[in-house]
Amino acid sequence: NAGVTQTPKFQVLKTGQSMTLQCAQDMNHEYMSWYRQDPGMGLRLIHYSVGAGITDQGEVPNGYNVSRSTTEDFPLRLLSAAPSQTSVYFCASSSYSGGPLHFGNGTRLTVT
Amino acid sequence: DAKTTQPNSMESNEEEPVHLPCNHSTISGTDYIHWYRQLPSQGPEYVIHGLTSNVNNRMASLAIAEDRKSSTLILHRATLRDAAVYYCILLGMDSNYQLIWGAGTKLIIKP
Repeated sequence: NAGVTQTPKFQVLKTGQSMTLQCAQDMNHEYMSWYRQDPGMGLRLIHYSVGAGITDQGEVPNGYNVSRSTTEDFPLRLLSAAPSQTSVYFCASSSYSGGPLHFGNGTRLTVT
Repeated sequence: DAKTTQPNSMESNEEEPVHLPCNHSTISGTDYIHWYRQLPSQGPEYVIHGLTSNVNNRMASLAIAEDRKSSTLILHRATLRDAAVYYCILLGMDSNYQLIWGAGTKLIIKP
């Protein structure tokens, strides 16, 4: 049982490039979410999903897209990277509303 | 989103109990109180959660005030491995996220 797996661990992009951060969980959790964490700060919600085919925006969705075609995968796409998107990105999953969140180990993204 | 407030940092001696406070005065009746901790360069790790009654697990205990406007995470015997940032958040029964997390409490353990 691997839990929540995020790839890649590190990524450097140039301004304007696009890329997809991968998130996969093997716990059959319906609920998944993406957060970003800037240095010394708490997490901020980007997008979330309550099941396959259903996604919604969080606090800071601009510049990011998501899709949820399967229960297991919840990729986060950066459309045109900007330096302001330099951050650490965490994916989380949970099995029920209000239940414990299981986090991946994050993707550290630098945009130059 | 309901907000929580925590002290920025706390210090404790190794092998002594630690009480980490959290205020959540605007909590609703359907909000669970959750605690997570985060080690450097890692994702947050679930510690414990509760609704109204005090809760215990192998990692910690959660004491919830009778009016639910505050709670305390108790580490019964702190070790150096407990040094981390601890976050207190509220998750509603109808949600699986919190829009914005606070900066948490940085727990420093002195040998």
